[in-house]
Amino acid sequence: DIQMTQSPSSLSASIGDRVTITCRASQGIRNDLAWFQQKPGNAPKRLIYAASTLQSGVPSRFSGSGSGTEFTLTISSLQPEDFATYYCLQHHRSPRTFGQGTKLDMK
Amino acid sequence: EVQLLESGGDLIQPGGSLRVSCAASGFSFLVYAMSWVRQAPGRGLEWVSLISNSGDRVYYADSVKGRFIMSRDNSKNMVFLQMNSLRAEDTAVYYCVSDGLHPGTNWGQGTLVTVSS
Repeated sequence: DIQMTQSPSSLSASIGDRVTITCRASQGIRNDLAWFQQKPGNAPKRLIYAASTLQSGVPSRFSGSGSGTEFTLTISSLQPEDFATYYCLQHHRSPRTFGQGTKLDMK
Repeated sequence: EVQLLESGGDLIQPGGSLRVSCAASGFSFLVYAMSWVRQAPGRGLEWVSLISNSGDRVYYADSVKGRFIMSRDNSKNMVFLQMNSLRAEDTAVYYCVSDGLHPGTNWGQGTLVTVSS
């Protein structure tokens, strides 16, 4: 099975900060990776697919990069509505696997 | 409008069985693989199972393999998860999710399964 190691597990930041979250795959997954945002009590929402393609309707301050085993999600200028938990998901092979999540809160 | 509506969550005793369902509408259901993803209270997301669009291929997480069975009825635009030999650690919100080339486009609101005596 492919393991996804996501870091950091938690992150404190301020409005306007640039934030980067990383996912590392235990083997190459090409660009078969998506990023999700989840707020308490809600289902996750996809932000990025194919590692770097922005989901329609998602603000352009979100971006994804990477291929193979190293991937990053970047928020260029943090907004109040961005405080949430973020997950990566690999779908290169089944079983699919999520990263452990990164909880982003206000400093 | 795309909708995924889960149902069937309940309180069930350890060792028991339960079937949860997901009704899909607003998109070409026949084209999509579908997955179940769960989230235990206060924990992260865990992918559980995937079924191909035709239903001929099904995959499971190791944690549920041999106990859970995923199926679909394309005539009714529905997917199911039959859960047997339930354990306390199966307690979670179960989400129905569209899958395929770009998984996670659509999510249901989730249904809560609680395994407890």
